[in-house]
Amino acid sequence: GENVEQHPSTLSVQEGDSAVIKCTYSDSASNYFPWYKQELGKRPQLIIDIRSNVGEKKDQRIAVTLNKTAKHFSLHITETQPEDSAVYFCAASIEGGYNKLIFGAGTRLAVHP
Amino acid sequence: GAGVSQSPSNKVTEKGKDVELRCDPISGHTALYWYRQSLGQGLEFLIYFQGNSAPDKSGLPSDRFSAERTGGSVSTLTIQRTQQEDSAVYLCASADRVNTGELFFGEGSRLTVL
Repeated sequence: GENVEQHPSTLSVQEGDSAVIKCTYSDSASNYFPWYKQELGKRPQLIIDIRSNVGEKKDQRIAVTLNKTAKHFSLHITETQPEDSAVYFCAASIEGGYNKLIFGAGTRLAVHP
Repeated sequence: GAGVSQSPSNKVTEKGKDVELRCDPISGHTALYWYRQSLGQGLEFLIYFQGNSAPDKSGLPSDRFSAERTGGSVSTLTIQRTQQEDSAVYLCASADRVNTGELFFGEGSRLTVL
């Protein structure tokens, strides 16, 4: 089955700096890669996702890149703000049908003013 | 509301007791997941229901854990003979697998086993 590894487990940056979180997956058939953000005491929420037919996707200050050959994908946050502080989870699955979503272990991001 | 609803929000029980946690998914969502999140940890997959297919139980940690989904909607996660290591937040999520892969999570049920 699918296995997703995520690094780093914790990340501390200064406000305004960029943050990068990396994930690798094991199942070459996986084609859907979402990222979830979980603020302290709240439920995880989808912030961005990418499908295997594209290599990069951007939404304001966040972007995701995908390298299918190497089976890794990354989340990039630019101009970080204190409200970006949260735990970020990557995940992978084969979209559609009977295929479950498997999450990485999470990255705790702290943005210091 | 139209979101995923879980109950109870908090449950304190004594070691050895059975507990039931309930999840009401978003109406029409065919996929339903249960995850466990221990303090400060990641999302540990427990079980996955998709439509009328047999559930994927590969994440259940022991035979004390079971789950069912009645009528393709409400799901109940049952933990028998609870142990202290079962203490965690149990998160339910549902998804419309036909149109989008996005998971919508409930607020979770915080279980404390004394």
